[in-house]
Amino acid sequence: EVQLLESGGALVQSGGSLRLSCAASGFTFSSYAMSWVRQAPGKGLEWVSVISGSGGSTYYADSVKGRFTISRDNSKNTLYMQINSLRAEDTAVYYCAKARAERVSAALNYWGQGTLVTVSS
Amino acid sequence: DIQMTQSPSSLSASVGDRLTITCRASQGISNYLAWYQQKPGKVPQLLIYAASTLQSGVPSRFSGSGSGTDFTLTISSLQPEDVATYYCQEYNSAPLTFGGGTKVEIK
Repeated sequence: EVQLLESGGALVQSGGSLRLSCAASGFTFSSYAMSWVRQAPGKGLEWVSVISGSGGSTYYADSVKGRFTISRDNSKNTLYMQINSLRAEDTAVYYCAKARAERVSAALNYWGQGTLVTVSS
Repeated sequence: DIQMTQSPSSLSASVGDRLTITCRASQGISNYLAWYQQKPGKVPQLLIYAASTLQSGVPSRFSGSGSGTDFTLTISSLQPEDVATYYCQEYNSAPLTFGGGTKVEIK
């Protein structure tokens, strides 16, 4: 059974930093791309970033480029998101999601339960 | 970047009704289009990928069609458990943009 468990969400002051983690199990982690998707309170889904299965390709939404860094440790079956220079508009539930393929251009077939990041000003 | 426009943003229908939700891409994306369902307070779930392929376990009353820039999600007979917000997402090229969502309610 595929399981994705996010952690690291917290209440942080504007300008602060955070590292989110997503522990994966139930599949061959290195064979699939992984994404982060966020959802602000009462709002729609916003795609944030994706990393290929090997970790060799990464992409970001314009809204987070230069502040967020996605990475993965395939030996630990864990996905990460380093978030710097936090802004109020980064307040959201952050989901990690597994892609259907190793390449970044694939639909997301499993989602974690999410971790809440709240940025206070 | 590709923009994804969904319509309508919300709708209310009766149990048993046939519903169609549309998603338009600002440029051609072949069939690199997915549909997700997010029930209130729950995590999004994949319904359809490659524009028309039903994800395993999804009821057959859901179907998708389209290619290029115009896509549709159809629910052939609306059920109470289909109350949710539905999102399209293009995955042709990063950023992998979501549509704004369509909230479906029961009359």
